[in-house]
Amino acid sequence: AQSVSQHNHHVILSEAASLELGCNYSYGGTVNLFWYVQYPGQHLQLLLKYFSGDPLVKGIKGFEAEFIKSKFSFNLRKPSVQWSDTAEYFCAVNGDGGFKTIFGAGTRLFVKA
Amino acid sequence: EPEVTQTPSHQVTQMGQEVILRCVPISNHLYFYWYRQILGQKVEFLVSFYNNEISEKSEIFDDQFSVERPDGSNFTLKIRSTKLEDSAMYFCASRIAGTGNEKLFFGSGTQLSVL
Repeated sequence: AQSVSQHNHHVILSEAASLELGCNYSYGGTVNLFWYVQYPGQHLQLLLKYFSGDPLVKGIKGFEAEFIKSKFSFNLRKPSVQWSDTAEYFCAVNGDGGFKTIFGAGTRLFVKA
Repeated sequence: EPEVTQTPSHQVTQMGQEVILRCVPISNHLYFYWYRQILGQKVEFLVSFYNNEISEKSEIFDDQFSVERPDGSNFTLKIRSTKLEDSAMYFCASRIAGTGNEKLFFGSGTQLSVL
């Protein structure tokens, strides 16, 4: 069965610190991988996605993620966070051709100004 | 950017009552979804809908739940007899046709409170 694990439930960083949020998935076939973000009081928005090609994917707002197939991982990174990055981040996966997308439990990021 | 719209933003109901949550997906999208997020928990898949029928559903989506696309623009989730544990944020999502790697567009959610 598909599953997604996010290692950190809460992360607190100071502005300009580097960020890495872990995501591991379990799925037996070809996967499409996503990171979504939910800012306080807003709806889920796509940050970036991977479905093929270069395993290092760049998204909006300076975020990037690296797909490491051998580790079943898709970690999200940002070299220097800002206060406005305070949000909840969700890793998600679906199988190629699959109808549903499965979400991880989410990581709440709080960036101190 | 086009948006998925959901109404109402907040619904309060008594246990045992029926509720209908409404969604207007993006007009050229063909796949529709309902997800829910219980406070403090993960976003959970409920159901996907394509070509006027349910394509996949989770174990959460029992006989108390149903979905409908009554008029070609709205996509509704009905809960026949609400329970306390149905209290959650319900998200509608849609996407274009394809192999599944297209992004989901989410609505802003309906907060359902069952008293």
